[in-house]
Amino acid sequence: AQSVTQLDSQVPVFEEAPVELRCNYSSSVSVYLFWYVQYPNQGLQLLLKYLSGSTLVKGINGFEAEFNKSQTSFHLRKPSVHISDTAEYFCAVSAQGGSEKLVFGKGTKLTVNP
Amino acid sequence: GAVVSQHPSRVICKSGTSVKIECRSLDFQATTMFWYRQFPKQSLMLMATSNEGSKATYEQGVEKDKFLINHASLTLSTLTVTSAHPEDSSFYICSARQGFGFEQYFGPGTRLTVT
Repeated sequence: AQSVTQLDSQVPVFEEAPVELRCNYSSSVSVYLFWYVQYPNQGLQLLLKYLSGSTLVKGINGFEAEFNKSQTSFHLRKPSVHISDTAEYFCAVSAQGGSEKLVFGKGTKLTVNP
Repeated sequence: GAVVSQHPSRVICKSGTSVKIECRSLDFQATTMFWYRQFPKQSLMLMATSNEGSKATYEQGVEKDKFLINHASLTLSTLTVTSAHPEDSSFYICSARQGFGFEQYFGPGTRLTVT
């Protein structure tokens, strides 16, 4: 079975500051990794995904994430945040070759202050 | 492309009644649809996976007779909460997957309130 730990439940930052949202996972098999964003009362939107290849993955809205297999991490970063980035961010994993079900972390609430 | 809709977006019902939530893939055929439940300030918990034309596969602890899932076509899946109780109040989100791709496309969610 897979599990995901998002180390920070809330991350407040000022506008134009860099941000890193941390995600660690546990799995006995290789995994695919995802970051989703959820705005209030809305569904989830895919920010980026790691399936294979380069460990640095670039996504939408200027976000990127780096897969670190030895540390079982997939941290999300953005060099300069905007007010509009305020949202809930979820890290998720899916076992390779399995049912491809997504297992989500508990989420990190990013609040960008002016 | 890859738009998933849910209807209704909000529903309030009385305890003991049943509520049906629809999930539609608008511009693609969804071979697999997933139903999630999200409690306030918590993550999404997978309830069940449904494949078109076959019975849904429920996660451990999810009552099959209470949460009826039907995936009758490649663009429509429904979740019926039967004999709803206040503890069923939650945000229900569906997602759809096209073919054997890895990406799931999520609907906007349905907020169910049982009074």
